[in-house]
Amino acid sequence: DAGVIQSPRHEVTEMGQEVTLRCKPISGHNSLFWYRQTMMRGLELLIYFNNNVPIDDSGMPEDRFSAKMPNASFSTLKIQPSEPRDSAVYFCASSLRPEGTEAFFGQGTRLTVV
Amino acid sequence: KQEVTQIPAALSVPEGENLVLNCSFTDSAIYNLQWFRQDPGKGLTSLLLIQSSQREQTSGRLNASLDKSSGRSTLYIAASQPGDSATYLCAVSGSSNTGKLIFGQGTTLQVKP
Repeated sequence: DAGVIQSPRHEVTEMGQEVTLRCKPISGHNSLFWYRQTMMRGLELLIYFNNNVPIDDSGMPEDRFSAKMPNASFSTLKIQPSEPRDSAVYFCASSLRPEGTEAFFGQGTRLTVV
Repeated sequence: KQEVTQIPAALSVPEGENLVLNCSFTDSAIYNLQWFRQDPGKGLTSLLLIQSSQREQTSGRLNASLDKSSGRSTLYIAASQPGDSATYLCAVSGSSNTGKLIFGQGTTLQVKP
């Protein structure tokens, strides 16, 4: 398996624009997580899905953030409108629950909002 | 609320040294603990996973221990090499086994040739 695949790897956008980050989890995994990493706050969980259903979105910072998982092999994290303080690296991770608990991470998307 | 702390924040050692990275957590009711490695500009690579019922896990030159009652874990790296230079992150998963990970801030390791 190619692992967790995220796209794009880098995204530079202007304040106010819509940004969509994409994630393809490892085939067969049934849990998917979106994390955000900043220098100030480290790695923080934004939202996670189990069997394509959002379970906990308490980490989503504002209504400007939304996430979907239309099927087991694809998820999106959307920011609309984007702001400079959204600049961070966004990671997607997947795991197989409940049997396997090890989380596997993608390479991340580095988002810069100018 | 679970909090994870890693000490030291940064560490520089000469090649060949054995070293220990520390991780502590405030709530001992965890499901498992995972150690990751992150290279600059890269994603996270899982190194070791310790279930709450286990005391340690080993992989090559790496050994991770877990003392759940005291809220501590250590990552031992034997015979360090320049290629070990990276940031090492500790993360815990709560006892409800949701898969949510709470991360420490990491220890940035530099191994000098």
